[in-house]
Amino acid sequence: EAEVAQSPRYKITEKSQAVAFWCDPISGHATLYWYRQILGQGPELLVQFQDESVVDDSQLPKDRFSAERLKGVDSTLKIQPAELGDSAMYLCASSLAGSTGELFFGEGSRLTVL
Amino acid sequence: GNSVTQMEGPVTLSEEAFLTINCTYTATGYPSLFWYVQYPGEGLQLLLKATKADDKGSNKGFEATYRKETTSFHLEKGSVQVSDSAVYFCAPLAVGRRALTFGSGTRLQVQP
Repeated sequence: EAEVAQSPRYKITEKSQAVAFWCDPISGHATLYWYRQILGQGPELLVQFQDESVVDDSQLPKDRFSAERLKGVDSTLKIQPAELGDSAMYLCASSLAGSTGELFFGEGSRLTVL
Repeated sequence: GNSVTQMEGPVTLSEEAFLTINCTYTATGYPSLFWYVQYPGEGLQLLLKATKADDKGSNKGFEATYRKETTSFHLEKGSVQVSDSAVYFCAPLAVGRRALTFGSGTRLQVQP
């Protein structure tokens, strides 16, 4: 069964360091999402791609976060510099083209900032 | 704006008990409504959905009915199992929005 792949599963870093997360969506899925899930809360959208184009990054803290999906397939989310408040689970999801609400999630990348 | 409110957890039940997890939303127009589930150590997965008023979504014994009068989409199951222990998220997709808005999640613990 096709899955959304994310790496690393766990990342511990010190504040002010740079960190990057990678996501490989299900083959053929044109839409890719990055969500952030703080412990005990629901996921919050950071950025949404349609193919290689950003369609929504209104909640992405652009002073420190960046995301790209250069060839419209896999994607990288970067944080530089990391802050204590960035400790969270970073979730990647993909879906077929269009906003159907039927998302397929990866297992997530858990970030701890010390 | 668009928002969703779920009942707080944890909800602790004995096996075979009846489950209700409440979800209400505010949104412009009539959104599509979804329940996602997150089992321990796994990613979120779609449980069920309803796309218009009075629709009933169902899957794995769970049901939820889209009630536009009360702007609710409560999740129910007649007889829970230990394997249903997970965190459940209500998520509307508002008209004109491109992505889901997730509730804060409700943790269900089912005891044998």
